[in-house]
Amino acid sequence: NAGVTQTPKFQVLKTGQSMTLQCAQDMNHEYMSWYRQDPGMGLRLIHYSVGAGITDQGEVPNGYNVSRSTTEDFPLRLLSAAPSQTSVYFCASSLRTGGYGYTFGSGTRLTVV
Amino acid sequence: EDQVTQSPEALRLQEGESSSLNCSYTVSGLRGLFWYRQDPGKGPEFLFTLYSAGEEKEKERLKATLTKKESFLHITAPKPEDSATYLCAVSERGSTLGRLYFGRGTQLTVWP
Repeated sequence: NAGVTQTPKFQVLKTGQSMTLQCAQDMNHEYMSWYRQDPGMGLRLIHYSVGAGITDQGEVPNGYNVSRSTTEDFPLRLLSAAPSQTSVYFCASSLRTGGYGYTFGSGTRLTVV
Repeated sequence: EDQVTQSPEALRLQEGESSSLNCSYTVSGLRGLFWYRQDPGKGPEFLFTLYSAGEEKEKERLKATLTKKESFLHITAPKPEDSATYLCAVSERGSTLGRLYFGRGTQLTVWP
């Protein structure tokens, strides 16, 4: 039981490049989400999913896309990287929506130059 | 306006010196309040969930309590290994997003 697995752990991109951050969970959790964490700020929700085939926007969705073709996987795509997207990205999952604690991955530290 | 405010931002304690961290929230209907611990370079680790005023949860040297508008994380006789950032988050009743509103955290340092 690996929990929530994120890859890669570190990534450097040039402005304008695209990439996909991977997230997989093996706990059969319905709810998955992506957060970004910036210095001096709380975790902010980017996108979330309440089940396979269902996704929606969070607080800061611009510049990011997601899809959920399976229960296990929830990749986050950066369409055209910008320096403002330099951050630490966390994927989190929970058994169901609302009122349940999240299990977080170990994070991806992204730098856009 | 932040939905969740944590104080203090940073706290330094000597080993064995007990203290409390505060988390206040402004959501109108609380579904749940969560405490997490985050070590440098790691993802947040779940500690507690509290659902109603008066509820308390304990784990080793940590005890979380909940009132109508705030929660406290009490640390009794802390050890250096308790050093971490402690995050508070709330979920709002009636929200369809399932999101958690996170505070900015309290960075706790316990020195020997």
